[in-house]
Amino acid sequence: DQQVKQNSPSLSVQEGRISILNCDYTNSMFDYFLWYKKYPAEGPTFLISISSIKDKNEDGRFTVFLNKSAKHLSLHIVPSQPGDSAVYFCAASVNSGYALNFGKGTSLLVTP
Amino acid sequence: KAGVTQTPRYLIKTRGQQVTLSCSPISGHRSVSWYQQTPGQGLQFLFEYFSETQRNKGNFPGRFSGRQFSNSRSEMNVSTLELGDSALYLCASSLGPGLAELNEQFFGPGTRLTVL
Repeated sequence: DQQVKQNSPSLSVQEGRISILNCDYTNSMFDYFLWYKKYPAEGPTFLISISSIKDKNEDGRFTVFLNKSAKHLSLHIVPSQPGDSAVYFCAASVNSGYALNFGKGTSLLVTP
Repeated sequence: KAGVTQTPRYLIKTRGQQVTLSCSPISGHRSVSWYQQTPGQGLQFLFEYFSETQRNKGNFPGRFSGRQFSNSRSEMNVSTLELGDSALYLCASSLGPGLAELNEQFFGPGTRLTVL
């Protein structure tokens, strides 16, 4: 069963605007969440993470928000750039272990 | 600092054969995890090793096995290959022993396995 869900397979955003990628999870034991970016024929690249003791974490243009009561997290990219075009994966972990549960990914296209 | 390296990058095998994939983690990292990526199932966790011990195993048949050496390098083996084993196999390394800020998991480029 898919415990981490990314319900939007694709998203298109204009350059300079905000990109918001969403992720829902079902397992209340998840306590660490990560976002990865992936280009074709490459491994995922780590972007940003958040522990369940926080509700927000920022790193440059990337901000992750966690809403534990809704079992929802989102990744905000501001401003979006054409180089951000890639597939974004949300991942979650139980007991901060390395056995990550991944969503199916959202393909982001940032147009000039 | 060199990233996670995986060899070979591409591999073609036939059904019934076995295959061994190799992963060298980032220098200083002691945890290595393996994942399988397929179009249908997405990224699925296979197993994790820390200090030569398997700490966690995903829901895969016993044909999938792995090991870690004292230098933290890891290998995974798939025996009696099936067509459905065709996938991108990704290795990830971490400092260990658990996820935290500045201790995330970093992925290699993967090995593309095709089973004919």
